[in-house]
Amino acid sequence: GAGVSQTPSNKVTEKGKYVELRCDPISGHTALYWYRQSLGQGPEFLIYFQGTGAADDSGLPNDRFFAVRPEGSVSTLKIQRTERGDSAVYLCASSGSTSGSTDTQYFGPGTRLTVL
Amino acid sequence: AQSVSQHNHHVILSEAASLELGCNYSYGGTVNLFWYVQYPGQHLQLLLKYFSGDPLVKGIKGFEAEFIKSKFSFNLRKPSVQWSDTAEYFCAVGPGDTGRRALTFGSGTRLQVQP
Repeated sequence: GAGVSQTPSNKVTEKGKYVELRCDPISGHTALYWYRQSLGQGPEFLIYFQGTGAADDSGLPNDRFFAVRPEGSVSTLKIQRTERGDSAVYLCASSGSTSGSTDTQYFGPGTRLTVL
Repeated sequence: AQSVSQHNHHVILSEAASLELGCNYSYGGTVNLFWYVQYPGQHLQLLLKYFSGDPLVKGIKGFEAEFIKSKFSFNLRKPSVQWSDTAEYFCAVGPGDTGRRALTFGSGTRLQVQP
């Protein structure tokens, strides 16, 4: 079946601009996660949704970062006033569990964001 | 807070050599443990996972990992590597007892298998 999809695959923007990154999770998965992966590092957690609500946004680095999931399926990560340090691969993952602990997360291909 | 250490950043092996990649974590409670692999040009894929039970877990493509609670370790092994195992390998840890779902990843180990 279809996996997690992310668009665009690449995004180049200028410092100070606003960007939106989209994630389409595996059909039926209630949990959705955003991670950020900088060069030479492992993914770092940003935010987790269970259904429509952000259950844990403790990884968002500052208030320029915001994410929504209005209908409990597709999610959009929004970055305002982008900075060169925001350049990274933004990964989305989804999982089907509603239990209270970590479970298997299935990752998408990522969006490579470059801020010039 | 959790942390994950992968001590080997870059490993080069010849085909048929044995592989062991180290992973140590710091977290005092119950953990769920994962190894993910990223082949060149592809996205992260799950290799294997440990939630509970037998501490020796087997995954896809002949990989296995052993959870040693006393050492806070979850090392990945494969008896005989193939050229197609060339990839980056990430160890990840998630709390199993707090209700938080975020995974903490190590910085990865790049494995290069020479034919």
